[in-house]
Amino acid sequence: AQKVTQAQTEISVVEKEDVTLDCVYETRDTTYYLFWYKQPPSGELVFLIRRNSFDEQNEISGRYSWNFQKSTSSFNFTITASQVVDSAVYFCALSEAGDNNNDMRFGAGTRLTVKP
Amino acid sequence: DGGITQSPKYLFRKEGQNVTLSCEQNLNHDAMYWYRQDPGQGLRLIYYSQIVNDFQKGDIAEGYSVSREKKESFPLTVTSAQKNPTAFYLCASSMLAPAVSYNEQFFGPGTRLTVL
Repeated sequence: AQKVTQAQTEISVVEKEDVTLDCVYETRDTTYYLFWYKQPPSGELVFLIRRNSFDEQNEISGRYSWNFQKSTSSFNFTITASQVVDSAVYFCALSEAGDNNNDMRFGAGTRLTVKP
Repeated sequence: DGGITQSPKYLFRKEGQNVTLSCEQNLNHDAMYWYRQDPGQGLRLIYYSQIVNDFQKGDIAEGYSVSREKKESFPLTVTSAQKNPTAFYLCASSMLAPAVSYNEQFFGPGTRLTVL
């Protein structure tokens, strides 16, 4: 069975610090997809990124970067020079291929607080 | 604007009453989903639907019912059989993925249900 673990329940940093959110996953499939979502206080989940299991290339989008390592089954998310607006709950999720979107497993989430 | 709407934002009900949560999307997505979120936990799938007049149970379907009479609408009824209905409910939608691709899910703003 697929599983996603976000061991960090809460993280608090001061503005401009870099912060890394950890995500470790378990799956028996060779083809799968990993996601990160942001949930601001308003409650709506905002899609950030999707990676498939065949693409281990790290990705950078502005202050956000993602480090996908199949060898350690990890898909970590780093925010560089954090800002107060980054405060939110961040979810990592996994879906195995062939499920046709139906079985997306979420981690418990990491609550990030960025203090001014 | 295209998106997913959920109403109401906050809902209060007395114990033993059924309550229906609304979810509408104008993204022309085929698939729709209902998730439940409890404090400190990730999202858990209640029901999903890939096509009109068809839906499937997720991990925690007991005490819930759904209908999919229109492509745009996927209402969720929380019945009196649900023993602990107080939670945050999120609706999502997505295109149906081809076998070699994946489409991320887009989420509505959520409904916070409190049963008194």
